Formats: sequence, C-alpha cells, structure tokens
Amino acid sequence: AQKITQTQPGMFVQEKEAVTLDCTYDTSDPSYGLFWYKQPSSGEMIFLIYQGSYDQQNATEGRYSLNFQKARKSANLVISASQLGDSAMYFCAMREPLRSARQLTFGSGTQLTVLP
Amino acid sequence: EAGVTQSPTHLIKTRGQQATLRCSPISGHTSVYWYQQALGLGLQFLLWYDEGEERNRGNFPPRFSGRQFPNYSSELNVNALELEDSALYLCATRAGGPEDYSGANVLTFGAGSRLTVL
Repeated sequence: AQKITQTQPGMFVQEKEAVTLDCTYDTSDPSYGLFWYKQPSSGEMIFLIYQGSYDQQNATEGRYSLNFQKARKSANLVISASQLGDSAMYFCAMREPLRSARQLTFGSGTQLTVLP
Repeated sequence: EAGVTQSPTHLIKTRGQQATLRCSPISGHTSVYWYQQALGLGLQFLLWYDEGEERNRGNFPPRFSGRQFPNYSSELNVNALELEDSALYLCATRAGGPEDYSGANVLTFGAGSRLTVL
C-alpha cells in the first residue's frame, strides 16, 4: 500500500489565487511527522512546512498552511496568493520514527503551474 | 552558512561503468541520506549514514553502496551501471541525535547530481 498518496499529477492556478495540493497518508504509528517540499526545475528540494501528529493546530509558514485532518489521514498544502515563482513540483512526505528509521517517505508529487 | 553541496552536478557514463557521487553536509549535520529520483517519479530512499555507519538502506541492489567519512561527508557508489540508473541523485542531511519533531531538524537537500547512463 502507498504510504503517501498525491492524486493530482498536475495543477494549474491563476496568479494571486489560492491553491490546495492534496496529500493522504497511511500509517498505524501514533507518532509521525508530515512534511511538504518544493522542487523547482533546478532540482533542489526546498523544505516548506512541517506538521507533527500530536500538533493541535494546523501549521502555517507565511503563504503556506497545512490543512491537517488526522481522522481522514490527510495533510493538504494550501498556498495563498500564488506567485509565478511557485511553479514547481511539490512533494508530500512522512517520517515514521518507529518504522522507517527516520528517513522520509515521499509521494509521487504534484506539478503546480501558476498562470499569469 | 553553506548548504548541502553535491558533486558532480552532471555525470555521463556508459553501461557497466562505475559512478561516484559526493555529498558535503551542512556544518553540524552528521546524518546523510541518499535518494534516487528517476525521471517523472518521486524520491526513492537509497541509503542512510549516521556517525560513519550505514544505518538503513532502501530496496536497491548491492551495487549501490556508499560510505561516510570522519568529516561526515559521504560518497555514493553505483557499480555495473545500467540504463535505468539514469536519475537525479539527491543527498540530504540533518543533525543527528534523538528524534526531534519540532521541525527544526528537517532534512536539508542538496541540488542533486544528475547521472546519465548511455
């Protein structure tokens, strides 16, 4: 079974609008961490936002927020006021410290294109 | 502060040859992770080194190997190259020690080494 599922291979959004990138995960561990990374065409993975499984509130970092719905096992990334520079590949990832020895498991990614 | 540096940026080899990729971590980072990203695919975990020892490896054949040096830099070696080894190889580092869920101990990635096997 897929640990991390990103069902949107590609998304388009108009500049200055908000966009939601979907991510669902599968784990039986009570303690885990969820991450979003951005990968521009240059290749480098850029950390955006983190959510711990015990965090009561949704994480926010500037224009990025994580819509964490634990019961549904979803961790959607919301980007507000999209900018042209947001065009990139976005990966959702999970760490299960009791199971995967601290490495991250990544989803297949969503290619976001911001239209002018 | 210098980020995670990887070399070479690009590497072209032929089938059967060996490739060596290098990674220098951020100062203070002792854990090094290697990931393979084939074209159009997500990241697949390859290897994890911490304090000079291999801690875990992903579902890859033994011809993928590596090591970590006393200065915490790392090498990834791929022997007997096959066409499907063509990919972007990403190195990521983090500080070692107890698990930290504060977000401050995230993986920091390098820009990758693109290996092309002809």
